[in-house]
Amino acid sequence: QSVLTQPPSASGTPGQRVTISCSGSSSNIGSNTVNWYQQLPGTAPKFLIYTNNQRPSGVPDRFSGSKSGTSASLAISGLQSEDEADYYCAAWDDSLNGVVFGGGTKLTVL
Amino acid sequence: QITLKESGPTLVKPTQTLTLTCTFSGFSLSTSGVGVGWIRQPPGKALEWLALIYWDDDKRYSPSLKSRLTITKDTSKNQVVLTMTNMDPVDTATYYCTHRQVGGTSHCSYDYWGQGTLVTVSS
Repeated sequence: QSVLTQPPSASGTPGQRVTISCSGSSSNIGSNTVNWYQQLPGTAPKFLIYTNNQRPSGVPDRFSGSKSGTSASLAISGLQSEDEADYYCAAWDDSLNGVVFGGGTKLTVL
Repeated sequence: QITLKESGPTLVKPTQTLTLTCTFSGFSLSTSGVGVGWIRQPPGKALEWLALIYWDDDKRYSPSLKSRLTITKDTSKNQVVLTMTNMDPVDTATYYCTHRQVGGTSHCSYDYWGQGTLVTVSS
């Protein structure tokens, strides 16, 4: 049972916009920034979004992040087949005094 | 460019101690703001944060594994070592070494990752 809650799966067709939610609490998302990672099959995770909504260099602007209260979201617009991957949110938890990850969302491009 | 590579045993027996080494290049752990972390992923499961060490030797540990983990750095060798005691089959996972984003606003912004090393715990 992960501290941050994500839907186990999401799907969309090419060109669509999909969103993935990440729900937490006041001790993690509510008081700290959220980061997102993309993990393509068989590879190491990739840094996707930091500080809630910032994209590292090289990440397409089709990817965007947002945060409101104790929840965060990752949006992918203009969905492409290469976006098929697992997506994880992460945040620091002040109560646990450690980093917490979401359980991951498997995105399928139909 | 920044690279990280994990090394260590691929198979350990239950109750043994695991020692993993992260050898990196492209940055120095003596530079202000730099940190190196460890994250693991059991087969088919989610990521789990383990530990993080900063340039000033500030160390952070997973609260659930703190009693079993030790993270150290050797700045001269560009290495970070993670030890985990009393290994159990549930610790079977791919272990990743990561570079913490300099200037990041949290302890969980990792902008570079190693390829990971699979460690199996079995007798």
